[in-house]
Amino acid sequence: AQSVSQHNHHVILSEAASLELGCNYSYGGTVNLFWYVQYPGQHLQLLLKYFSGDPLVKGIKGFEAEFIKSKFSFNLRKPSVQWSDTAEYFCAVNAYNTDKLIFGTGTRLQVFP
Amino acid sequence: DAGVIQSPRHEVTEMGQEVTLRCKPISGHDYLFWYRQTMMRGLELLIYFNNNVPIDDSGMPEDRFSAKMPNASFSTLKIQPSEPRDSAVYFCASSLVSGRVYNEQFFGPGTRLTVL
Repeated sequence: AQSVSQHNHHVILSEAASLELGCNYSYGGTVNLFWYVQYPGQHLQLLLKYFSGDPLVKGIKGFEAEFIKSKFSFNLRKPSVQWSDTAEYFCAVNAYNTDKLIFGTGTRLQVFP
Repeated sequence: DAGVIQSPRHEVTEMGQEVTLRCKPISGHDYLFWYRQTMMRGLELLIYFNNNVPIDDSGMPEDRFSAKMPNASFSTLKIQPSEPRDSAVYFCASSLVSGRVYNEQFFGPGTRLTVL
């Protein structure tokens, strides 16, 4: 069965620090990859997505993610975080030609001024 | 477009009562998903529909849970009878999958359910 692992459950950073959140999935075929963000008390919003092409994808608010097929990874990065980035981040995978998204357990990011 | 609409936003009920959560997907989207989010289990897919037809309900926890989609613009998730362990945030999401090209899911604001 497909699964998504987010190894960092809780990350605490100071403003201007760099961020990298890990995401690994288990599926040998073609995949579509997503990062969603959930700000406190709000619903999930799409941060960025990868379907094909350049494995380095850029999303909103300065976030980017790199798809490394050989490592089954899709890590999220931001060079300098802001207090407003405090949120929960979810990695999700869609196996090609299927209907469902499989979500990771999420990473809670806290950014202190 | 107003996005995915869910109602109510908050629901507090007593154990044993029936609870009905409602969702209006984005117009034109042909897939609708119901999720449950808890601290312990994260985000779980309960059931999803394609063109109003339930495709996979393997995530529905028990027979107390049921979902319907009578038309393309409305879906309900019902819990009867409700129990305290059903307390969670329930999200509805919709997406458009055309020609097997998968697209992102758009989430509603969620319904926070508290069962006392």
